[in-house]
Amino acid sequence: RKEVEQDPGPFNVPEGATVAFNCTYSNSASQSFFWYRQDCRKEPKLLMSVYSSGNEDGRFTAQLNRASQYISLLIRDSKLSDSATYLCVVNMGTGGFKTIFGAGTRLFVKA
Amino acid sequence: IAGITQAPTSQILAAGRRMTLRCTQDMRHNAMYWYRQDLGLGLRLIHYSNTAGTTGKGEVPDGYSVSRANTDDFPLTLASAVPSQTSVYFCASSDSGGPKGGYTFGSGTRLTVV
Repeated sequence: RKEVEQDPGPFNVPEGATVAFNCTYSNSASQSFFWYRQDCRKEPKLLMSVYSSGNEDGRFTAQLNRASQYISLLIRDSKLSDSATYLCVVNMGTGGFKTIFGAGTRLFVKA
Repeated sequence: IAGITQAPTSQILAAGRRMTLRCTQDMRHNAMYWYRQDLGLGLRLIHYSNTAGTTGKGEVPDGYSVSRANTDDFPLTLASAVPSQTSVYFCASSDSGGPKGGYTFGSGTRLTVV
């Protein structure tokens, strides 16, 4: 089993739709969690951190479920510009060598 | 410059040749990392450095070496390139040993080994 697993998609949604991505992780000792966005042929960029209490940034909401070991990202009112690959990232302790990136979920938002 | 600069942006390299990928940051981040990204596999850590003068091996270190002579520079060297090292290479940095605030990535180097 991969340490961090995501549905690769692609997810094809119309503008204005709500779309949710899930990500599961295998190490219960994982400490911090992130969602990154990566546009085609570009570098990943931090979208948001994920906290136990959940957090929201505009149209984006991230949730963490430690008991079930998954994190989620909800995008409301999808825009064409949301089309990208979304990477789930799990850090298992101090030190960058314990940061694991998921392979990403591809999202296409269509007019 | 602002952030992380990688060079070259792309390269076609003959197998067996030696190559150094350059990475420079101007954010005074302590920690720096090299990742490779292959289709369907996600980003995999090659080497990392928590602070100038120290380096460590990541998940896929074989065939690669790094050095960290100062805070700003973190070059990655392929001693004798092989086709399996064809990939997109990203350099990243963070302001602590753990990426509490997230990583900043360079724009990547696309390497093709033929």
